[in-house]
Amino acid sequence: GAVVSQHPSRVICKSGTSVKIECRSLDFQATTMFWYRQFPKQSLMLMATSNEGSKATYEQGVEKDKFLINHASLTLSTLTVTSAHPEDSSFYICSAKRRTVPGELFFGEGSRLTVL
Amino acid sequence: QKEVEQNSGPLSVPEGAIASLNCTYSDRGSQSFFWYRQYSGKSPELIMFIYSNGDKEDGRFTAQLNKASQYVSLLIRDSQPSDSATYLCAGAIMDSSYKLIFGSGTRLLVRP
Repeated sequence: GAVVSQHPSRVICKSGTSVKIECRSLDFQATTMFWYRQFPKQSLMLMATSNEGSKATYEQGVEKDKFLINHASLTLSTLTVTSAHPEDSSFYICSAKRRTVPGELFFGEGSRLTVL
Repeated sequence: QKEVEQNSGPLSVPEGAIASLNCTYSDRGSQSFFWYRQYSGKSPELIMFIYSNGDKEDGRFTAQLNKASQYVSLLIRDSQPSDSATYLCAGAIMDSSYKLIFGSGTRLLVRP
């Protein structure tokens, strides 16, 4: 399968600080990347869709000013959690879509954010 | 609201048995379906995809799709303890853009 790398895998930060998470597709070009959030024992919640060279599309209820997404190239998307609070603590997972049919997603390793 | 439904489980089967995981979806426009496996604390990994009615086999895994009943399933033959994980079913939809809608996952336990 295709390889998607996500960094950092774990991050602990103080309340009020910002955290940036990077997602890279290593062996294919990803025009579309997705950012998910997952709470313990729950399923993946789609936060936003990131298209290369354009603004991200956010799902209902997700604050775009809090979760800044940048998709500057065909292989890199970043998620910045701004002014993080303890309730933002979660497992954030990026995924990248290959252009070919059927459009399966390949996931990064995930980033576990803990806000103190 | 476009949804994908799964029984949360846990589904417990003995080693060597067939595990049957099921999924239903609400959007008749969904064309492609995916099964992902997720170990605790890890991100999902793709097992199989299917977009034609019928069965698709890959090693010990068989995916089944019935579009008339809006039903997708995954069979795991000769289940191993290492198959113990949460299995996520996802359907692809074209909303304002392409996206995958995930079910809540079924936890599978394979007893040695």
